[in-house]
Amino acid sequence: GENVEQHPSTLSVQEGDSAVIKCTYSDSASNYFPWYKQELGKRPQLIIDIRSNVGEKKDQRIAVTLNKTAKHFSLHITETQPEDSAVYFCAASIYPTGGFKTIFGAGTRLFVKA
Amino acid sequence: EAGVVQSPRYKIIEKKQPVAFWCNPISGHNTLYWYRQNLGQGPELLIRYENEEAVDDSQLPKDRFSAERLKGVDSTLKIQPAELGDSAVYLCASSLPGDGNTIYFGEGSWLTVV
Repeated sequence: GENVEQHPSTLSVQEGDSAVIKCTYSDSASNYFPWYKQELGKRPQLIIDIRSNVGEKKDQRIAVTLNKTAKHFSLHITETQPEDSAVYFCAASIYPTGGFKTIFGAGTRLFVKA
Repeated sequence: EAGVVQSPRYKIIEKKQPVAFWCNPISGHNTLYWYRQNLGQGPELLIRYENEEAVDDSQLPKDRFSAERLKGVDSTLKIQPAELGDSAVYLCASSLPGDGNTIYFGEGSWLTVV
């Protein structure tokens, strides 16, 4: 089955700097890679996703890149702000029918220092 | 639109006691999931329902865990008897029919077993 590894487990950056979180997956059939943000005591919420027919996707200060050959994908946050502090989870699944088997990474706790 | 609603939010029980969690998914979401999230880890699927049918319960520890979704809407997850290792956040989630890739989480039920 699919296995998703995520690193680093903790990341501390200064406000305004960039943050990068990396994930690798094992199942070459996976083709959908969502990222979730979970603030303390809150529900995980989808913030961005990417499908394997594209290599990069951007939404304001957030971007995701995908390297299908190497089976890794990354989340990039630019101009970080204190409100970006949260736990970020990557995940992998098979679109469109395999979302039910979404496998999550262990999470990265991001601290943005003001 | 109302999100996935869970209760209770927090529960502290002694080991060997029973506990139950309730979930009301987003209206129209036929697919309902129960995940367990251990501290510092990503969500792990326990059981998935399509309407009232449990279609994937392979990760549910059936000796002490049970779940039901009698009318295909609300669901309950029960643990009896609870063990210390069951301390975790129990997340309910739902998704639209045929779109299992977009998972909407509830805020979770935090269980502490002492």
